[in-house]
Amino acid sequence: KQEVTQIPAALSVPEGENLVLNCSFTDSAIYNLQWFRQDPGKGLTSLLLIQSSQREQTSGRLNASLDKSSGRSTLYIAASQPGDSATYLCAVLGWGGGADGLTFGKGTHLIIQP
Amino acid sequence: NAGVTQTPKFRVLKTGQSMTLLCAQDMNHEYMYWYRQDPGMGLRLIHYSVGEGTTAKGEVPDGYNVSRLKKQNFLLGLESAAPSQTSVYFCASRFIMNTEAFFGQGTRLTVV
Repeated sequence: KQEVTQIPAALSVPEGENLVLNCSFTDSAIYNLQWFRQDPGKGLTSLLLIQSSQREQTSGRLNASLDKSSGRSTLYIAASQPGDSATYLCAVLGWGGGADGLTFGKGTHLIIQP
Repeated sequence: NAGVTQTPKFRVLKTGQSMTLLCAQDMNHEYMYWYRQDPGMGLRLIHYSVGEGTTAKGEVPDGYNVSRLKKQNFLLGLESAAPSQTSVYFCASRFIMNTEAFFGQGTRLTVV
């Protein structure tokens, strides 16, 4: 069974810092990996999707990398802003099993201090 | 473009009551999913559908039923609600397997 772990569980940094969120998964047989953002009381907003054949994806100040063989992904946020405060979720879509759904980590709760 | 829309957004039920949550997507997506999100447990898959007329069980299907009579709609039913079903429910959809998943805004359900 796929397991996804996100470290750290919580992070508080001053505005302007560059930061890295980590995601690891136990089964490397994946279709893709997706990073989401969730604001309190809201739904999930997709940030980046990395296919299993890709090494990284970029969108604005966000860069996500994928090392499938080691079961790791990182989300890099450049020049952090207070508006980046949210919970960031990592999810993988696996090849096998009967459930064709995403397996989620429990998230990293990020606070950017003004 | 509305994306994925969930109805209702909030609901309080008494134990034993029934209800149906509606998920509608306007992106012509084949795959649709229902998840629940609980503190400390993360998001867990309840049921899913890979196309109109199909449904399948996910990780935590007990106590729920689903139907996908139309491609754009995926319904989640609770026949006899229990306090353990107090949760936030999210619907998601994707076009095909290797594409981005989009989520609705969630339904906060409390069973008393």
